[in-house]
Amino acid sequence: SQTIHQWPATLVQPVGSPLSLECTVEGTSNPNLYWYRQAAGRGLQLLFYSVGIGQISSEVPQNLSASRPQDRQFILSSKKLLLSDSGFYLCAFPGMGYEQFFGPGTRLTVL
Amino acid sequence: QKEVEQNSGPLSVPEGAIASLNCTYSDRGSQSFFWYRQYSGKSPELIMSIYSNGDKEDGRFTAQLNKASQYVSLLIRDSQPSDSATYLCAVGYNTNAGKSTFGDGTTLTVKP
Repeated sequence: SQTIHQWPATLVQPVGSPLSLECTVEGTSNPNLYWYRQAAGRGLQLLFYSVGIGQISSEVPQNLSASRPQDRQFILSSKKLLLSDSGFYLCAFPGMGYEQFFGPGTRLTVL
Repeated sequence: QKEVEQNSGPLSVPEGAIASLNCTYSDRGSQSFFWYRQYSGKSPELIMSIYSNGDKEDGRFTAQLNKASQYVSLLIRDSQPSDSATYLCAVGYNTNAGKSTFGDGTTLTVKP
C-alpha cells in the first residue's frame, strides 16, 4: 500500500531563517506530488506540484521553492522565512480518482 | 469570488440529527468533486468522491452533485460526536496534473 511521510512534524523558526521540509512516498513509482499550505482556520492552498523528477510547477508567487531530486522525494524550501509563511504544510499524492492522499503534515511557526 | 465556497459555519447539530454541508464552485469545467474530513491538528482524509450528477451514498454519508447549479453537498445522517470536525469541499480536473482546489471548510460540532 502507498504511504506518505513528512518531517519534521513541528517546527519553530525565526524570521529570516532557512527552511527545508521533506516528503517521501512509499509503495508507488513516479507519482504526482503536491505541496499545500493551510493557514489557521482556512482551506488548503496549492503551492507546488510535480509530475516527475526535476519537474516543478509553482501555483502562487511566494518566497518558497520546491525540488524533486528523486522519484519519491519532494522538498519544500525557503532561503529566508517570513511571518506569513507560518502554517500547516501538507504533502499529497493523487489516487486513481484524482483524490488527494495527504501526509501527516508539518506545522511551521515563524516567530 | 472564490473558486470553491462553503457555508461559513460553524454548524452545530444534536447527536442523531442530519448535518447538511454545502459547497458551490465557479469553474464549470470541474470534473471531480470531493469531501474531506479534517480533525483538529490532523491532515485531511477523503470521505466521499463524486463525479456525475445525482446522489452517492456511503454508509451514513450522502454526497449530492448538481453540475447545472454548480453545487455539491454532503449529508451526514445520524450524526455522532465523532463526526465533529472540519469538512473541506474540493473540486478537481481529471488531467495529468490532477490538481484540486479547496474551499475554506465548514466546522461541524455534534452535541451529545
